Amino acid sequence: DTGVSQDPRHKITKRGQNVTFRCDPISEHNRLYWYRQTLGQGPEFLTYFQNEAQLEKSRLLSDRFSAERPKGSFSTLEIQRTEQGDSAMYLCASSYLPGQGYEKLFFGSGTQLSVL
Amino acid sequence: GEDVEQSLFLSVREGDSSVINCTYTDSSSTYLYWYKQEPGAGLQLLTYIFSNMDMKQDQRLTVLLNKKDKHLSLRIADTQTGDSAIYFCAESGNAGNMLTFGGGTRLMVKP
Repeated sequence: DTGVSQDPRHKITKRGQNVTFRCDPISEHNRLYWYRQTLGQGPEFLTYFQNEAQLEKSRLLSDRFSAERPKGSFSTLEIQRTEQGDSAMYLCASSYLPGQGYEKLFFGSGTQLSVL
Repeated sequence: GEDVEQSLFLSVREGDSSVINCTYTDSSSTYLYWYKQEPGAGLQLLTYIFSNMDMKQDQRLTVLLNKKDKHLSLRIADTQTGDSAIYFCAESGNAGNMLTFGGGTRLMVKP
């Protein structure tokens, strides 16, 4: 079990550029989540996948944001035409939910995005 | 919408007990969670409680849930310097499978 890994750890970009982040969940975890965390705040839900299907998206996720999980394994989060307000830590989490019950999320260390 | 509130900061001496409090608004919360975040690391699930329980104990951790007041607390007994971190409460409510997190409480443990 190598844990949830995210790449890159840090990304600095200029306003208006596109960026893409990658998340590799724990193998055989069927759920994958993206959260965003700004300094001094708790994580805010962005979207989640069950296998390759994107099942829920937050109102926070504007049209400039798109997420994919093409084969139900790794996921990418792309932000187009970045704005300074997009600067945040982007967290990925995965879980295995066999049925009804509590859900344990395993978080990656995040990708810190700075938009200049 | 759902809202989860926590106090920002708590400072205790090593060996004392720490109590971190949380209030939430979603009365349909099924599970409530406590996560720990250390610098440079991802959030780690510490413990959880099902909404029909009042209390759960797990080694040094005690979770108390008051559903009437929508109040959740985490007590850490014999707090150690390694417990210094940010603690987040979270609830999974009626809004789907997402967790709603509080803003986090920074716990500082002084030797």
